Amino acid sequence: DAAVTQKPRYLIKMKGQEAEMKCIPEKGHTAVFWYQQKQSKELKFLIYFQNQQPLDQIDMVKERFSAVCPSSSLCSLGIRTCEAEDSALYLCSSSPTSNTEVFFGKGTRLTVV
Amino acid sequence: GDSVTQTEGQVALSEEDFLTIHCNYSASGYPTLFWYVQYPGEGPQLLFRASRDKEKGSSRGFEATYDKGTTSFHLRKASVQESDSAVYYCALNTGANTGKLTFGHGTILRVHP
Repeated sequence: DAAVTQKPRYLIKMKGQEAEMKCIPEKGHTAVFWYQQKQSKELKFLIYFQNQQPLDQIDMVKERFSAVCPSSSLCSLGIRTCEAEDSALYLCSSSPTSNTEVFFGKGTRLTVV
Repeated sequence: GDSVTQTEGQVALSEEDFLTIHCNYSASGYPTLFWYVQYPGEGPQLLFRASRDKEKGSSRGFEATYDKGTTSFHLRKASVQESDSAVYYCALNTGANTGKLTFGHGTILRVHP
């Protein structure tokens, strides 16, 4: 089975604080995706990296998040100033190329209090 | 924009019952359709996908047939087991980038022994 690792599994932040979560893609995978999942329901696409370069992202990410893949073996997603609405499960997924099956990690559950 | 509609928010069945979860989509172009399953504490896992009209995807006793005419991809299983209890997501992708998915809201399946 593919293994996408996400850390930490749980993160608690106060409103206004900065949050950072990390993703270690499956070895050899060049495409990395981040999704936001609220209340165990719909997954919402956030941002896509190909070979460590961000190629697609939604406006919310551009405005309030920071996302980088400094190496092929590590990506991070940050929130500059946490708000209550950011409480969610953040899922990272990766795939060998942009047009093959993606594998998801177990996610980082962020709670903003 | 693209969208996926899952009619059932929750389904409760007994073991050996027949399962149907309805999925309809709206997309530009010719989408690839997916079914994902998510167990508690895990990320979504791909059940199967279909790329062409009338193509049937199947895995673990679940199946769905791509129907371009009715824009549907309904999930079915003849005899469910308690271990099938999970959240099921219908999703689509319209580009070469199969990792950027549009998900439905998900269907919680509970199977009672």
